[in-house]
Amino acid sequence: AQSVSQHNHHVILSEAASLELGCNYSYGGTVNLFWYVQYPGQHLQLLLKYFSGDPLVKGIKGFEAEFIKSKFSFNLRKPSVQWSDTAEYFCAVAGNQFYFGTGTSLTVIP
Amino acid sequence: DTGVSQNPRHKITKRGQNVTFRCDPISEHNRLYWYRQTLGQGPEFLTYFQNEAQLEKSRLLSDRFSAERPKGSFSTLEIQRTEQGDSAMYLCASSLNTPQETQYFGPGTRLLVL
Repeated sequence: AQSVSQHNHHVILSEAASLELGCNYSYGGTVNLFWYVQYPGQHLQLLLKYFSGDPLVKGIKGFEAEFIKSKFSFNLRKPSVQWSDTAEYFCAVAGNQFYFGTGTSLTVIP
Repeated sequence: DTGVSQNPRHKITKRGQNVTFRCDPISEHNRLYWYRQTLGQGPEFLTYFQNEAQLEKSRLLSDRFSAERPKGSFSTLEIQRTEQGDSAMYLCASSLNTPQETQYFGPGTRLLVL
């Protein structure tokens, strides 16, 4: 069965700190991987996605993620966070069905 | 606004009542998805349609839940005989034809069952 694990439930960072949010999935077949973000009071929106090719994927607002097949991981990174990055971040995997992780709440302190 | 819309945005009902939610996808999108999200959890996939065909419904939570998309455009999600445990946010998303395509989410319908 497919599943997605996000290890960090709550993260608090100061502005300009670096961010890495973990995401691991379990699925033996070909997967499509996504990171979605939900800013306070807004809809879920796509940050970035991976289907094939270069395992380092760049998304909006300076975010990137690296697909490491051997580790079944798709961690999200940003070198320098801003206060406006405060949001809920969800990792998702689409294999034969679509699964979201439980989310990581990021608070960036000015 | 050409995004995904959902109505109503909020619904309060008494246990045992039936409720129906509507989702209008982005017009050119032929895939439509329903999710449920409870506090502290990620969206939980329920079902999806490609045009009017419901291709996956094994994840619907019980036989009290049903969804339709009769003309391949808007969709409805019905919950019969609601229970307090059905209280959640119900999200709709739409996408173009393939699993690789980005899903665009609506604002959700928040259901409270008293």
